[in-house]
Amino acid sequence: DVKVTQSSRYLVKRTGEKVFLECVQDMDHENMFWYRQDPGLGLRLIYFSYDVKMKEKGDIPEGYSVSREKKERFSLILESASTNQTSMYLCASSLWGAGTLGEQYFGPGTRLTVT
Amino acid sequence: GNSVTQMEGPVTLSEEAFLTINCTYTATGYPSLFWYVQYPGEGLQLLLKATKADDKGSNKGFEATYRKETTSFHLEKGSVQVSDSAVYFCALSDPGNFNKFYFGSGTKLNVKP
Repeated sequence: DVKVTQSSRYLVKRTGEKVFLECVQDMDHENMFWYRQDPGLGLRLIYFSYDVKMKEKGDIPEGYSVSREKKERFSLILESASTNQTSMYLCASSLWGAGTLGEQYFGPGTRLTVT
Repeated sequence: GNSVTQMEGPVTLSEEAFLTINCTYTATGYPSLFWYVQYPGEGLQLLLKATKADDKGSNKGFEATYRKETTSFHLEKGSVQVSDSAVYFCALSDPGNFNKFYFGSGTKLNVKP
């Protein structure tokens, strides 16, 4: 079974703090994704990565950065957390060409609260 | 551009009722279409998929047919159970970049005994 794990289920941080969200997958997938999930807005793509050290902006990259130093690990970084970044963050992974070949596999999510 | 529109919820049904959740899409080419389900406290998991027009995806009693002429992929189940209570997301893969997915806003289903 594919497993995508996220470092924390719940996280509370203060405004201005630097926040790291970690995601690890164990299926040697090329692609990894970070989404945020908000009520009424569904899932919005923040960043994705096709390969180690490769990254591409999604639809809402402002205020976020990412790092992919190893194939299995994809980190989301909030350089200076703000209250409007309070959200559920979902990590996903997939094989290359997953749209036709397969699917995205999701982690359980990290609920981040910024106070 | 690419987008997915699905009916707003919540949808509340009694056990054994018929379910339809509407989904329509906009895409520049011929995307693959998906339904994902999110149970309380969990991440999303794939429910079913269809990769070309007229394909029918099915799983766990749920079905959806890829309708190119109406750009739709409605989710149906003949008899829902309490355990089907979850949030359902319609999604498409970008035909110009099959590594990228677009998700609808989600429809919450509540099934009462």
